[in-house]
Amino acid sequence: GAGVSQSPRYKVAKRGQDVALRCDPISGHVSLFWYQQALGQGPEFLTYFQNEAQLDKSGLPSDRFFAERPEGSVSTLKIQRTQQEDSAVYLCASSLPETGQYTYEQYFGPGTRLTVT
Amino acid sequence: SQQGEEDPQALSIQEGENATMNCSYKTSINNLQWYRQNSGRGLVHLILIRSNEREKHSGRLRVTLDTSKKSSSLLITASRAADTASYFCATDEAGGTSYGKLTFGQGTILTVHP
Repeated sequence: GAGVSQSPRYKVAKRGQDVALRCDPISGHVSLFWYQQALGQGPEFLTYFQNEAQLDKSGLPSDRFFAERPEGSVSTLKIQRTQQEDSAVYLCASSLPETGQYTYEQYFGPGTRLTVT
Repeated sequence: SQQGEEDPQALSIQEGENATMNCSYKTSINNLQWYRQNSGRGLVHLILIRSNEREKHSGRLRVTLDTSKKSSSLLITASRAADTASYFCATDEAGGTSYGKLTFGQGTILTVHP
């Protein structure tokens, strides 16, 4: 079946521009995660959704970062007034369990590589 | 912030050899997972080991977990050129969230020469 898809795959933005990154999770997956991966590093957690509810946004680095999942499926990560330090790969992952249930693996999309010039 | 460290940072071996990479972490965990990332692609889940398990096998993969030392190892036997990738351990920390938020290590870059 279809996996997690993300678009665009590559985005170049000039400093100060706003960007929107899209994630289409696996159909029926309740949980959706966003991670940020800097070059040569492991992914770092940004935010978590259970269906349409954003239950954890503790990893968002600043108030310029905003995420939503209004209908509990597709999610968008928006970065306002981009800065050079925002350059990274943004990964989306989905998984099946609801909060409180047993944790299973996360299925990752290919990521969006954001370059801020 | 990163949960812990992986070593080595880079590993270069010949096809057919075994590859071992290690992961250390800092907090109590529910489970530990290993992921593989090929150049320019997303992460692929390899194996999950629960905190009450000590060893797990999946095909050519063997994972061990020592919760007293807060460490894990991933062994890939009879390596192939296609195993060339970055490997990450990730922990689901105990006592925190219950939805599987993962904290990743820095990764080990494995190169398998044909």
